[in-house]
Amino acid sequence: QSALTQPASVSGSPGQSITISCTGTSSDVGSYNLVSWYQQHPGKAPKLMIYEGSKRPSGVSNRFSGSKSGNTASLTISGLQAEDEADYYCCSYAGSSTYVVFGGGTKLTVL
Amino acid sequence: QLQLQESGPGLVKPSETLSLTCTVSGGSISSSSYYWGWIRQPPGKGLEWIGSIYYSGSTYYNPSLKSRVTISVDTSKNQFSLKLSSVTAADTAVYYCARLAIFGVVSYFNWFDPWGQGTLVTVSS
Repeated sequence: QSALTQPASVSGSPGQSITISCTGTSSDVGSYNLVSWYQQHPGKAPKLMIYEGSKRPSGVSNRFSGSKSGNTASLTISGLQAEDEADYYCCSYAGSSTYVVFGGGTKLTVL
Repeated sequence: QLQLQESGPGLVKPSETLSLTCTVSGGSISSSSYYWGWIRQPPGKGLEWIGSIYYSGSTYYNPSLKSRVTISVDTSKNQFSLKLSSVTAADTAVYYCARLAIFGVVSYFNWFDPWGQGTLVTVSS
């Protein structure tokens, strides 16, 4: 069982928007604005898409955005494209005893 | 640009020690702004943080693995290494190394980027 809870799967049609939630606790997501999101295509290494909750690294499309409310962080992908089909993982700093926690991952299917 | 590459045996026997090395190229492992980490992914499952190290040798481990994990750094070779003892089939996974950014003067762990390509380690007799 992962420390952060994500839906197992989400789907959307090309051009639509989807949101993936990542629910933690007051010891991780709720206490620190240090949530990151990773995209992973089959057989590939994860790629950083969002950091510090809502910041995008250079080169990441502005169709990807992040937010946080309380103990839940969210990743929104707008204008869905076929290439967005992948697994998505959230990650959070979890304090000075647990340090780092990941979500269980969400499989995004573009219909 | 910065690149990381994992290396080590792809097959380890049960009860033995898994050993992997991550070689960093295109930048120095001795940067004050980053830790270096190991993350694993069992086949068909999610990501699990194993532990991280600073160039000075300061380490932090996943509490669930701490009793079996040792991470070390060799700044002269721009490498850091993972040892996981007493392995079982449950330790079969793709093992990734990655750079870990830290946040602020308090050095909270932030984001992982870039990642190595990963290496599959199978535990089997």
